[in-house]
Amino acid sequence: LAKTTQPISMDSYEGQEVNITCSHNNIATNDYITWYQQFPSQGPRFIIQGYKTKVTNEVASLFIPADRKSSTLSLPRVSLSDTAVYYCLVGDDSGNTPLVFGKGTRLSVIA
Amino acid sequence: DAGITQSPRHKVTETGTPVTLRCHQTENHRYMYWYRQDPGHGLRLIHYSYGVKDTDKGEVSDGYSVSRSKTEDFLLTLESATSSQTSVYFCAISAASGTDTQYFGPGTRLTVL
Repeated sequence: LAKTTQPISMDSYEGQEVNITCSHNNIATNDYITWYQQFPSQGPRFIIQGYKTKVTNEVASLFIPADRKSSTLSLPRVSLSDTAVYYCLVGDDSGNTPLVFGKGTRLSVIA
Repeated sequence: DAGITQSPRHKVTETGTPVTLRCHQTENHRYMYWYRQDPGHGLRLIHYSYGVKDTDKGEVSDGYSVSRSKTEDFLLTLESATSSQTSVYFCAISAASGTDTQYFGPGTRLTVL
């Protein structure tokens, strides 16, 4: 499984766009990039997944450069309710082994 | 929300006692997982199951055992609880392995005195 590196924590003011970058230098050809969000006192929940270029949904956008060695989760105009831990996971569908969550990035949104 | 329940939601026990946590799903998903979450360590996989009676170890399996006798239930057992096993335990399920979405339960807060 590809190893991922994310910042431990980030702070942002309400209304700003937040970009969280994940490094995955040894990503394999069949690997996908998946992000989860975890609010305090809850389990993580899936927010977005991509393979290359750009993916957007109602929650976030995911930008993946051509070399795929990193990815950026973009949260537009954050609010206090976006305060959470964000996890970047990288892996494929082969075998039964689940992806590794790691420590994630703790985002604190300030009023 | 996916139909996942965990019981108990909170438990306080003493060192050396056995503890069993239960995860129950109503989604008929093949895969089930047990994680623990501790400050500074993120989410770490304890054991997982890829079918009835099919289980495998995760990265922090020492001191834990699991059983899955039917699709809907995945049990996590601490044979002799230690203070280092004080943690929040999350169960998750997914229909397939790898990149398939995992759905998490509400968690169980376990305190071992």
